[in-house]
Amino acid sequence: DGGITQSPKYLFRKEGQNVTLSCEQNLNHDAMYWYRQDPGQGLRLIYYSQIVNDFQKGDIAEGYSVSREKKESFPLTVTSAQKNPTAFYLCATDLGFDTEAFFGQGTRLTVV
Amino acid sequence: KQEVTQIPAALSVPEGENLVLNCSFTDSAIYNLQWFRQDPGKGLTSLLLIQSSQREQTSGRLNASLDKSSGRSTLYIAASQPGDSATYLCAVDSGAGSYQLTFGKGTKLSVIP
Repeated sequence: DGGITQSPKYLFRKEGQNVTLSCEQNLNHDAMYWYRQDPGQGLRLIYYSQIVNDFQKGDIAEGYSVSREKKESFPLTVTSAQKNPTAFYLCATDLGFDTEAFFGQGTRLTVV
Repeated sequence: KQEVTQIPAALSVPEGENLVLNCSFTDSAIYNLQWFRQDPGKGLTSLLLIQSSQREQTSGRLNASLDKSSGRSTLYIAASQPGDSATYLCAVDSGAGSYQLTFGKGTKLSVIP
């Protein structure tokens, strides 16, 4: 079953904790992206990676970190430095420049 | 900086009607435009991708058009069904070293049985 798998679907974070969101794909896509979605706002790019072992900051990278050790995986860590982490997080992939983007089902993160 | 606007923010129509969703963008130098559907609490589902050299794309009851010079795209849905109820998002790829899509805030569509 091909596609993008995000886990967990729901995640709760206590103040001061780091949490890691998983994104795995079996589409053999080179590029992977993390977006954040807040009510009433468009999606905003956090980080992206065009190739293994390389990644770039997006518009709102502060308080987040990523790694790209394997082509299939692009985990996102929400650190304690992110002051307002409650949001819906979406992982996306594509084949690279000027190609169709595909999205996972999202992870909803809530600070408790 | 590219900005994408979708009007209206919400739309309610009776079942069976044909309808048009609008998307406008400020910088016409785009590589492609993509329409997505999002159901509540779910991820985005790609509906149609229009390359900058194309004028329209069709998939089933959906038809998307692109007018780069005026900075506009429309998504036409024929014979609407209750199952079409969702939020529809458009996104533009402005390329030029910008490896990201710029999204509109979406139009929430409700199709009333």
